[in-house]
Amino acid sequence: QVQLQESGPGLVKPSETLSLTCNVSGGSVSSTSYYWGWIRQPPGKGLEWIGILSYSESAYYNPSLKSRLTISVDTSKNQFSLKLSSVTAADTAVYYCARGIVMDRGVRRFDPWGQGTLVTVSS
Amino acid sequence: DIQMTQSPSSVSASVGDRVTITCRASQPISSWLVWYQQKPGKAPNLLIYATSSLQSGVPSRFSGSASGTDFTLTISSLQPEDFATYYCQQANSFPLTFGGGTKVEIK
Repeated sequence: QVQLQESGPGLVKPSETLSLTCNVSGGSVSSTSYYWGWIRQPPGKGLEWIGILSYSESAYYNPSLKSRLTISVDTSKNQFSLKLSSVTAADTAVYYCARGIVMDRGVRRFDPWGQGTLVTVSS
Repeated sequence: DIQMTQSPSSVSASVGDRVTITCRASQPISSWLVWYQQKPGKAPNLLIYATSSLQSGVPSRFSGSASGTDFTLTISSLQPEDFATYYCQQANSFPLTFGGGTKVEIK
């Protein structure tokens, strides 16, 4: 079964770039049946969709983050990545990677999710 | 963006109770509504997709339904392991959006 695991620094300074990687095991990021996405959750708050992409299709980003965001796929390592630039304290959150399942020409659910990684933005 | 308004924000219930959680979309989303369960310190777990399709392995006491842009998650008989926070998510169009969550607490 597919498993996802996030990795990256737990502490990022304000104005710097947050970089996370999601390693995929038990499945291939090259599959055209799936998208690969990021979702975040500030401490004690709800879920916010960040963005998503597939190996063969365009990336889709949350408009509120689009100007600072890059999501990419590395098929040689079977992983995908998130880069969020110019971070502030408001970007402090648990970041989850997840597989997006396509149904009827859309990404219709996320399953499974990684365990999540807390990223704190602080000097 | 499609706004998802979830209610109530919290509910206190006892084991064996029937619990209903509602999610209202700000515009039509067809049947593309997803429900997740999240326990403290854990990632969300998929419960129901496409309004009423039960994810494999999820107990049948969970069910989903819809009326127009109002969607409902029902737990027919609350079990101890069901105390958690539940989120809805619209999967009709980008940007994907989540409801604010409903915390199901022990009464």
